[in-house]
Amino acid sequence: EPEVTQTPSHQVTQMGQEVILRCVPISNHLYFYWYRQILGQKVEFLVSFYNNEISEKSEIFDDQFSVERPDGSNFTLKIRSTKLEDSAMYFCASSPGQGYQPQHFGDGTRLSIL
Amino acid sequence: AQRVTQPEKLLSVFKGAPVELKCNYSYSGSPELFWYVQYSRQRLQLLLRHISRESIKGFTADLNKGETSFHLKKPFAQEEDSAMYYCALSRITGANSKLTFGKGITLSVRP
Repeated sequence: EPEVTQTPSHQVTQMGQEVILRCVPISNHLYFYWYRQILGQKVEFLVSFYNNEISEKSEIFDDQFSVERPDGSNFTLKIRSTKLEDSAMYFCASSPGQGYQPQHFGDGTRLSIL
Repeated sequence: AQRVTQPEKLLSVFKGAPVELKCNYSYSGSPELFWYVQYSRQRLQLLLRHISRESIKGFTADLNKGETSFHLKKPFAQEEDSAMYYCALSRITGANSKLTFGKGITLSVRP
């Protein structure tokens, strides 16, 4: 069964540095998402992406965050200048298309900001 | 605003006991409700969705619009059901809707 894959599984970065989290969605999926889960808290929506543009973003997704689909297969989340509070598990998800299609999640990337 | 409440953090039962994982939601429109499960060291997986009205691994969940609830139930718990369970909600207005999650509940099934 096809899966959403995320790399790396764990990223350790100094505060203030840029970080890029990578995701390969399922190949025929059209909608892409990023979520995050701070330790001990709920999974929170960050952004959704369709047709090469952001469809919706949350209050968390400020100017420090950006997403890109650079080559038709990868879907990346960039944090320009990381803060301690960005430490979290980041999940990528994708869904097939029209209608009420469920989202398929990747294993997540654990981001640790020092 | 969308909100999902899972009032309990942990439910511990013996094998063969009934299970009910509670979920309440708040949303002004017509939502779609889901249960996601995360087994140890695995990814979030869709368990079931209210629109399908199906039973997966013996679990069922009925949407009660009057009580704004979507409780997950299983009559006889198995050890392999031990996992983290998340209730989630999305708008029914179309595709590409974000999921709003509850905090999740850990189900522990003892032998």
